[in-house]
Amino acid sequence: KAGVTQTPRYLIKTRGQQVTLSCSPISGHRSVSWYQQTPGQGLQFLFEYFSETQRNKGNFPGRFSGRQFSNSRSEMNVSTLELGDSALYLCASSLRGGDGYTFGSGTRLTVV
Amino acid sequence: QKEVEQDPGPLSVPEGAIVSLNCTYSNSAFQYFMWYRQYSRKGPELLMYTYSSGNKEDGRFTAQVDKSSKYISLFIRDSQPSDSATYLCAMSARNSGGYQKVTFGTGTKLQVIP
Repeated sequence: KAGVTQTPRYLIKTRGQQVTLSCSPISGHRSVSWYQQTPGQGLQFLFEYFSETQRNKGNFPGRFSGRQFSNSRSEMNVSTLELGDSALYLCASSLRGGDGYTFGSGTRLTVV
Repeated sequence: QKEVEQDPGPLSVPEGAIVSLNCTYSNSAFQYFMWYRQYSRKGPELLMYTYSSGNKEDGRFTAQVDKSSKYISLFIRDSQPSDSATYLCAMSARNSGGYQKVTFGTGTKLQVIP
């Protein structure tokens, strides 16, 4: 069965720009969570969507936003990019949320 | 203080050794405990998922949970070079809305030397 697909795999953006990342979960999985991974901080939770509703949110500024579509595909958006936003952004899908994730390979974002 | 503490390593062991990876936590509300393995340039993959205190075995891997001490461990028997990766512990608790929220440790980098 197909895994979690994240696009694009790599992205280079300039400070101040915005970016949209995409995630297609495993078929049948309704929960999609987003994480930011950096060497110093590890995996930091951004938010979780379930059936198009955000039901968990981490401690990130409002520049980070997301949404989920009726087919469970999810997007996350970062506006007004800062150098510190450079990270690996991981999407994880699960049936119910918290019951064991399947992760995508991530999108490596570099802000210059 | 972080909710989940994990020694970042790196941990270097010879092939065939028994590896012990550990995490401590402070939130007594954590209910589910997981271990993930992450290879370089890949997303984490779920290795073990447990609920109660005690041991759970899967092949060469054993997960151990001690809720009274707020301590979880992952043991790898007969370690192989292919086990070289970063191991992340994770645990979840219900948020105020009743939904599970997962918190990860920072990961321990393991190198198994042939």
